[in-house]
Amino acid sequence: DVKVTQSSRYLVKRTGEKVFLECVQDMDHENMFWYRQDPGLGLRLIYFSYDVKMKEKGDIPEGYSVSREKKERFSLILESASTNQTSMYLCASSTRQVGYGYTFGSGTRLTVV
Amino acid sequence: AQSVTQLGSHVSVSEGALVLLRCNYSSSVPPYLFWYVQYPNQGLQLLLKYTTGATLVKGINGFEAEFKKSETSFHLTKPSAHMSDAAEYFCAVSERTALIFGKGTTLSVSS
Repeated sequence: DVKVTQSSRYLVKRTGEKVFLECVQDMDHENMFWYRQDPGLGLRLIYFSYDVKMKEKGDIPEGYSVSREKKERFSLILESASTNQTSMYLCASSTRQVGYGYTFGSGTRLTVV
Repeated sequence: AQSVTQLGSHVSVSEGALVLLRCNYSSSVPPYLFWYVQYPNQGLQLLLKYTTGATLVKGINGFEAEFKKSETSFHLTKPSAHMSDAAEYFCAVSERTALIFGKGTTLSVSS
């Protein structure tokens, strides 16, 4: 069964900490994405990557960075976590042909205290 | 930029009743359109998609959606709701590589 795996389901971090959220896919997909999901706001795109070492900003990149050193792994980095970054983070991957849609991970619920 | 509007953040139906979840989009080019479902504490799962061809698209769990270009709509329906359909539903439209999602509609099903 093909999968997108997010390393943590629940994470609690302190304000100011550097936080790494990891995502791994086993489908040899070119594209990978990070979204955050908040009640009433739906999914908002943070960053995406269409190839190794390539990245593009989404709608809300402020306070985040990403790293894609290998095709199967896409990391989201919160440089200095803040309470307004408490959210559900969803990773997804897709082929180059967006018409096939995404495969999502199960999500990481991050709480910043 | 493309956008997606889901009418109604919360829809309640009785078991066995028709389910109708509304989605309108804006796009300057022929879109790819998707419906995803999210069960509690899970990621999103693809229900169905429209790319080209037949405008009535059938998906999993008895859901279907019709692409109406003249109305810029892609509403999701199911003839008879089941308790297990209770979840959050997201409509999405493609924009280059990424998908743009609506804000979601929570479906509640009562017995």
